[in-house]
Amino acid sequence: ETGVTQSPTHLIKTRGQQVTLRCSSQSGHNTVSWYQQALGQGPQFIFQYYREEENGRGNFPPRFSGLQFPNYSSELNVNALELDDSALYLCASGFQETQYFGPGTRLLVL
Amino acid sequence: GQQLNQSPQSMFIQEGEDVSMNCTSSSIFNTWLWYKQDPGEGPVLLIALYKAGELTSNGRLTAQFGITRKDSFLNISASIPSDVGIYFCAGQLNFGNEKLTFGTGTRLTIIP
Repeated sequence: ETGVTQSPTHLIKTRGQQVTLRCSSQSGHNTVSWYQQALGQGPQFIFQYYREEENGRGNFPPRFSGLQFPNYSSELNVNALELDDSALYLCASGFQETQYFGPGTRLLVL
Repeated sequence: GQQLNQSPQSMFIQEGEDVSMNCTSSSIFNTWLWYKQDPGEGPVLLIALYKAGELTSNGRLTAQFGITRKDSFLNISASIPSDVGIYFCAGQLNFGNEKLTFGTGTRLTIIP
């Protein structure tokens, strides 16, 4: 049990739609990172938030955006969904130099 | 994005056997980590390595940080059914909450 939760667990959208995924961690977890894991691959870093500001970004277009809130929750927003956005989206909450992953949200884009 | 190369891609072993897998990178990392991912779950940290040449154990798991800082190895001794899953290596430029660059994964299956 990592103390990191994500919602929803599964989601189906169609091309062009927008989606918001949510992550919740515990007090003291000062960073949140989001990763995309395509089927059969390792997670890929999307971006990280620290003190509610973006603190590093991977090779993802601007239609991937995020928010971090003071209550240790976070959102990943994806606009103009494409078929290739179908993946497991993981958030990782940072506490004492260790990142703890949530169970992920599986997104299917049709 | 960059992914580290892991081998083998998959392994089929019998319970009780030892397992070895490795991870290589074209660039240097200063921290290496090994994660295990079960179906429907996020990756769980198994072992973290912080110094080139370091050998660290966690129960039946032993991992090594390669001297070149471009590779790492994970060994599992006397495998048991709950070892089944996908093992990922990950590199970080620095220790802490920086981004993780993951490997392609090694899927471990135990044959009854």
